[in-house]
Amino acid sequence: GAVVSQHPSWVICKSGTSVKIECRSLDFQATTMFWYRQFPKQSLMLMATSNEGSKATYEQGVEKDKFLINHASLTLSTLTVTSAHPEDSSFYICSARGGGVGETQYFGPGTRLLVL
Amino acid sequence: KNEVEQSPQNLTAQEGEFITINCSYSVGISALHWLQQHPGGGIVSLFMLSSGKKKHGRLIATINIQEKHSSLHITASHPRDSAVYICAAPFNSGGSNYKLTFGKGTLLTVNP
Repeated sequence: GAVVSQHPSWVICKSGTSVKIECRSLDFQATTMFWYRQFPKQSLMLMATSNEGSKATYEQGVEKDKFLINHASLTLSTLTVTSAHPEDSSFYICSARGGGVGETQYFGPGTRLLVL
Repeated sequence: KNEVEQSPQNLTAQEGEFITINCSYSVGISALHWLQQHPGGGIVSLFMLSSGKKKHGRLIATINIQEKHSSLHITASHPRDSAVYICAAPFNSGGSNYKLTFGKGTLLTVNP
């Protein structure tokens, strides 16, 4: 079946640095990718939706200058957390939809970010 | 308002028991997702269904579009089934765009 990968799976960084997370659809073309954030014991919260070749659409309350999303190809989207702070520590999950699998949305394994 | 409600929030079972998790949603949708999240966080898509029933191994998902209700069943439960099970429904967010709204999840613990 369709697979979505994320890299890295874990990242620890110092406050003020930037972190890039990659999301790849491995065996289908993802016309739409979604980035979610999940805090402990809470549900997934959508951060932004990106369509290949277009600017991402951010949810209310999500700073687009802080969370840079690039969806340059049909198989790759990146999320860059700029000038990360401890409150950005969270579990970031990407999801991809499109291609031959219809409207099914497939989820990546997630990236756990810890900002010290 | 687009809402997805799950029950129960927590469920503890003995190995071998039949498990049912319920999900209700507020408005008509085209399909519903069931997801599994293990400790450590990774999410696995279990089912996407728009009508009737789907089965994969010991997992069965059913949906009743008219009643806006879906159930996830696990037969012969096993400790490795312990996880959070989440239902999610795509609601129209404008034009042809759809966003998933997630239930709060059901924490299942299966004891040996």
